[in-house]
Amino acid sequence: GQQVMQIPQYQHVQEGEDFTTYCNSSTTLSNIQWYKQRPGGHPVFLIQLVKSGEVKKQKRLTFQFGEAKKNSSLHITATQTTDVGTYFCAGPGNTPLVFGKGTRLSVIA
Amino acid sequence: DAGVTQSPTHLIKTRGQQVTLRCSPKSGHDTVSWYQQALGQGPQFIFQYYEEEERQRGNFPDRFSGHQFPNYSSELNVNALLLGDSALYLCASSSISVKGEQFFGPGTRLTVL
Repeated sequence: GQQVMQIPQYQHVQEGEDFTTYCNSSTTLSNIQWYKQRPGGHPVFLIQLVKSGEVKKQKRLTFQFGEAKKNSSLHITATQTTDVGTYFCAGPGNTPLVFGKGTRLSVIA
Repeated sequence: DAGVTQSPTHLIKTRGQQVTLRCSPKSGHDTVSWYQQALGQGPQFIFQYYEEEERQRGNFPDRFSGHQFPNYSSELNVNALLLGDSALYLCASSSISVKGEQFFGPGTRLTVL
């Protein structure tokens, strides 16, 4: 079945440093979604990308969908302590959403 | 406008018991999906309900069953609990006419002893 892989699994950064997480699907995706889950919380929708090569920005967050629609990335500029959490990518497959295992971000003040 | 609500928040059961978890979707949503999230993992799709019918099912055994009511709320039932069923169970609601974002509830933390 379809697999969604994310790297790295963990990332520790100093506050102010940049952070990037990468997502790769074993199959071409019609769209890709990104979610953030704070420690002890639940996934919260961040964004959906649909078009090949699409780039979307939300303040310090930049999301990119690959040309082949099989990979995506999330880049955070100048991390803050409020960015702490696990970032998941998810795409439709043989089920409505197939999630990656996530990248857990720690920010050291 | 209330978001997705789930009950109970936490639950402790023993092996072999049965459990029922409940979910009320966000106002205006008609579709409910259930996910299991083990510690350190991403959510795994269990099944989805729309118009009181199971539309899609993930790779979970028949011990996992569900129901959707006319008011769109939903229940997840798990029979013959195993230690490995310990996880956070998340309910997500969406609208069948809008492809994309799913709104997740706070989850029910199930511990099986």
